[in-house]
Amino acid sequence: DAGITQSPRYKITETGRQVTLMCHQTWSHSYMFWYRQDLGHGLRLIYYSAAADITDKGEVPDGYVVSRSKTENFPLTLESATRSQTSVYFCASSELGPQETQYFGPGTRLLVL
Amino acid sequence: AQSVAQPEDQVNVAEGNPLTVKCTYSVSGNPYLFWYVQYPNRGLQFLLKYITGDNLVKGSYGFEAEFNKSQTSFHLKKPSALVSDSALYFCAVRDAASGGSYIPTFGRGTSLIVHP
Repeated sequence: DAGITQSPRYKITETGRQVTLMCHQTWSHSYMFWYRQDLGHGLRLIYYSAAADITDKGEVPDGYVVSRSKTENFPLTLESATRSQTSVYFCASSELGPQETQYFGPGTRLLVL
Repeated sequence: AQSVAQPEDQVNVAEGNPLTVKCTYSVSGNPYLFWYVQYPNRGLQFLLKYITGDNLVKGSYGFEAEFNKSQTSFHLKKPSALVSDSALYFCAVRDAASGGSYIPTFGRGTSLIVHP
C-alpha cells in the first residue's frame, strides 16, 4: 500500500536501553522528518533528511541518532533512552520545495520507564 | 527566521455556528502556509495550503482559510461547525527565502471543541 508507515506503533522500554523507531514511505519523497509531540510543546522537529545520506539536526536532536541509507527509510534511534524521551513520535515526508505538503505517519507512542 | 503563533490553546463553538482558528506568522520572504488537522491517536492530515494567488483558499471537509498579508495572518474558518470537526489543528509556515532548506515551522496547535 502506498503511504507512510511507522513501526512499532507502541513501545515500552526501560531507561538506558537502545530503541529504534522505523519509518517507511512509498512515494520516494526527497524529504523525511522526525517530530516528537508533547503536551504544551506542540510538534518539535528532531531530525530531518533532504535525501539519502543527507541528514541534519532539528530543534531537539540530543539523545537521538538517524540514518538514511535508502530514500524510503528513515529510522530514529534513541541510543540510551531516558524518561524525558517518553513521547509520541511522528515521521513525515514531502517532496522538495516550499510549496510541498507534508504527509505524516500514524505515530509511535513510546513510554520509557 | 520564520515563526508561527496560534494564540488560542482551545476554541469552543456550538454545532452549526461558524468557527475560526487563528494563526499569525513571521517570515523573511514569501510565506507558504499550511493547515493540518489531527484526530485523536492519529497522525496529522493536510487540510489546505496557501502558495500564491487568491487569498481565500478552500480545503477539505468544508474548511477554508484567508491569507492576509498586511496582518500576517492565515485564519482557518468554516461556516457551520460539526461535532466531528473536534480535533487538534496546526498551522505551519515555510519561508521561500529560507536558503533552500524549506523546513516548516509549526504552531503549538489549537484544540477545537464543537459542542452538540
